[in-house]
Amino acid sequence: ILNVEQSPQSLHVQEGDSTNFTCSFPSSNFYALHWYRWETAKSPEALFVMTLNGDEKKKGRISATLNTKEGYSYLYIKGSQPEDSATYLCAFGGSQGNLIFGKGTKLSVKP
Amino acid sequence: KAGVTQTPRYLIKTRGQQVTLSCSPISGHRSVSWYQQTPGQGLQFLFEYFSETQRNKGNFPGRFSGRQFSNSRSEMNVSTLELGDSALYLCASSQTSGRYNEQFFGPGTRLTVL
Repeated sequence: ILNVEQSPQSLHVQEGDSTNFTCSFPSSNFYALHWYRWETAKSPEALFVMTLNGDEKKKGRISATLNTKEGYSYLYIKGSQPEDSATYLCAFGGSQGNLIFGKGTKLSVKP
Repeated sequence: KAGVTQTPRYLIKTRGQQVTLSCSPISGHRSVSWYQQTPGQGLQFLFEYFSETQRNKGNFPGRFSGRQFSNSRSEMNVSTLELGDSALYLCASSQTSGRYNEQFFGPGTRLTVL
């Protein structure tokens, strides 16, 4: 059974803090790694799709890195803002064809 | 461009009944994937349709089925509903394979089985 693990499960930070979360996935048969942000009462929204080992992607204050050989990805948020409060999901795309999602990291940013 | 739409948004059914959920993808997207979200669980993959063909299927019983029409709209059917089927059902569309391309999610259908 393929497993995608995210840590921590939840995180509480103060506005202005920088933070990061981890996504662990199988290191074999890798095709793509996705990150999504899911705000309460909204739909999940794609942040990044990463396919190459060593990939680094950035969108504003949010960035992500990818290590396919050891099977992990980090998501970084610089200078967290209250509007960053959401659940961050990663999803592994492997030879099975479909995406396998982790359970997410729930981020709460206090003003 | 209009986003992914799902109907209905909320549904209450009783055990033993069946239900059909609908998903209209973004125009031009040919892949539609369905997911189930229950408390404490991540998004569980149900199936993916591409050009009217089921491309992948998750580990769900045969009571869960789906189809895709020529205009890429997709329906999901659950027969003989059980209490454990209460969940948020999300569909997501992508241009081609859901594995490589970012998926665009709809607002979901909240199903409650009594």
